[in-house]
Amino acid sequence: EDQVTQSPEALRLQEGESSSLNCSYTVSGLRGLFWYRQDPGKGPEFLFTLYSAGEEKEKERLKATLTKKESFLHITAPKPEDSATYLCAVQAYSTLTFGKGTMLLVSP
Amino acid sequence: GAVVSQHPSWVICKSGTSVKIECRSLDFQATTMFWYRQFPKQSLMLMATSNEGSKATYEQGVEKDKFLINHASLTLSTLTVTSAHPEDSSFYICSARVGLRGEQYFGPGTRLTVT
Repeated sequence: EDQVTQSPEALRLQEGESSSLNCSYTVSGLRGLFWYRQDPGKGPEFLFTLYSAGEEKEKERLKATLTKKESFLHITAPKPEDSATYLCAVQAYSTLTFGKGTMLLVSP
Repeated sequence: GAVVSQHPSWVICKSGTSVKIECRSLDFQATTMFWYRQFPKQSLMLMATSNEGSKATYEQGVEKDKFLINHASLTLSTLTVTSAHPEDSSFYICSARVGLRGEQYFGPGTRLTVT
């Protein structure tokens, strides 16, 4: 059974304080690992897809990396508007299996 | 970027009535659409997967007669909650994907409250 574990569950940062979110996964035959951002009361917003170990993708202050067992979402110099829940999901065959998410709060 | 819309964004209905939620991919054709529900402070739970023109595949524990899914075209899927009860109150989110390995984009969600 595919499993996705995200840590920490919640993270509070000061504005400008860089950090990383972790997504550990167990899946037979990874087709892709996805990162999403979800704001309260909204649907998830697509951030990145990673397909193979060693792959990295960047978007503004966010950088996602992938190994054979885990993925990291690095947040550099975060701003208050980066506050959200970040979801990680893996795709083995057809459907996505989601982790429970990391709730990030960035204080000014 | 790819846009998925949902309508309505929120709905309040009385127990025993049926509610239909529409999901549209606005600027791309989706080979597969998915329906999720999400309870407060929990992650997304997949309810069903549908491909255009074929019957939906429901996840274990999801009542297919209660949650009717119609995937009428490559840009439209509907979820009908039949004979809704208060325990069906939740946040329902659809998503759409292009191809088997393509990115999956989510709609803004529909908040259903059954009184």
